[in-house]
Amino acid sequence: QVHLVQSGAEVTKPGASVKVSCKASGYTFTNYYIHWVRQAPGQGLEWMGLINTRGGDTFYARRFQGRVTMTRDTSTTTVYMELRTLRYDDTAVYYCVRVYDDGEPIKRFDAWGQGTLVTVSS
Amino acid sequence: EIQMTQSPSSLSASVGDRVTISCRASQSIYNSLNWFQQKPGKAPNLLIYGASNLHSGVPSRFSGSGSGTDFTLTISGLQPEDFASYHCQQTYKTPYTFGQGTKLEIK
Repeated sequence: QVHLVQSGAEVTKPGASVKVSCKASGYTFTNYYIHWVRQAPGQGLEWMGLINTRGGDTFYARRFQGRVTMTRDTSTTTVYMELRTLRYDDTAVYYCVRVYDDGEPIKRFDAWGQGTLVTVSS
Repeated sequence: EIQMTQSPSSLSASVGDRVTISCRASQSIYNSLNWFQQKPGKAPNLLIYGASNLHSGVPSRFSGSGSGTDFTLTISGLQPEDFASYHCQQTYKTPYTFGQGTKLEIK
């Protein structure tokens, strides 16, 4: 059974950094990309970027470029998302999502982590 | 960036009803559209991919249609567990943008 298990909730201050982990199990880790999506309280979903778990290459949404880094450790089948220079409006639930990518535009976001609440507060 | 606009933003319906939710893209995305269901405090679940393909394990009362810029999610015969929020997402071009969501409530 496919599982994506994320690290626990975080409370951080403005200007600080946060690193969220996502441990994958139940499938061949390097056959799927991992994407990150966030949701601010009471708001819609926002796509942040992706990592190719095989090669490690990444692609970030423009609004996060320079502040976000996604990495992976194939030995532990874990993906990490670090967001720096946090602002109050970064308060959100952050999700990792498994996506099969064969280069075609149809992409199934078919397994989600349980979410990690990151609260930015002074 | 492709803008995704969902309508309505909220909807009241009764068990057994047929409901439709619309999603419009700011440019053609062909059939590169996902639909998700999300319940409070939970992660979204994939319902439909490729605009009209039912994801594994999703009940057949859910269906999707459309191509180009206009898409529809239909739920035929609402069940109590269907009262939730629904989101569309385009995967044609990065960033893979979402609609603002539709909250389906019990009338």
